[in-house]
Amino acid sequence: SQQGEEDPQALSIQEGENATMNCSYKTSINNLQWYRQNSGRGLVHLILIRSNEREKHSGRLRVTLDTSKKSSSLLITASRAADTASYFCATDEGDYKLSFGAGTTVTVRA
Amino acid sequence: EAGVAQSPRYKIIEKRQSVAFWCNPISGHATLYWYQQILGQGPKLLIQFQNNGVVDDSQLPKDRFSAERLKGVDSTLKIQPAKLEDSAVYLCASSSHGGGNGYTFGSGTRLTVV
Repeated sequence: SQQGEEDPQALSIQEGENATMNCSYKTSINNLQWYRQNSGRGLVHLILIRSNEREKHSGRLRVTLDTSKKSSSLLITASRAADTASYFCATDEGDYKLSFGAGTTVTVRA
Repeated sequence: EAGVAQSPRYKIIEKRQSVAFWCNPISGHATLYWYQQILGQGPKLLIQFQNNGVVDDSQLPKDRFSAERLKGVDSTLKIQPAKLEDSAVYLCASSSHGGGNGYTFGSGTRLTVV
């Protein structure tokens, strides 16, 4: 069963704008991870945030985690055409298995 | 560091035929996972190996799916007989330290059952 749910399902933005997507989950977690998937390719690990962390940055990516609300957000700043992809959140409940949501499809228009 | 290798890249078979997928994880990664990703959905875990032992296969349809990881390195996933609903991308991933640093995924095998 899928633990995380991403919102929105799809997002279309202009190059240079910021993109924000959210993830909600149901049970307690050890960490939450975000992955990117380009069309027809495998998933690429973007960032991992642990349950005792509230915010994490990596380049143009900013992830927040609110364990009280069981939610996380991924912000991509100054988007580029190459950011066009599907983005998935995945939760680790401490058993070293990831449960993925259905993903957010991001389209960056030139 | 070489990535996770998977083959074949694409496979088309008729229903009731059998098919096998191969995965070679990153060297030294003890944990290996097979995920099934149906079009428009997120990946769903089929089976998790730790070295050559199965940790979790609770979502593997064992009447038709089987997987093994001999010598704790390469792994194969087999479907016999295939059904139309098995059409999906089969992703292999590996991790070290129980996935605490994230997983590395292969490019996947796209299976079409006709």
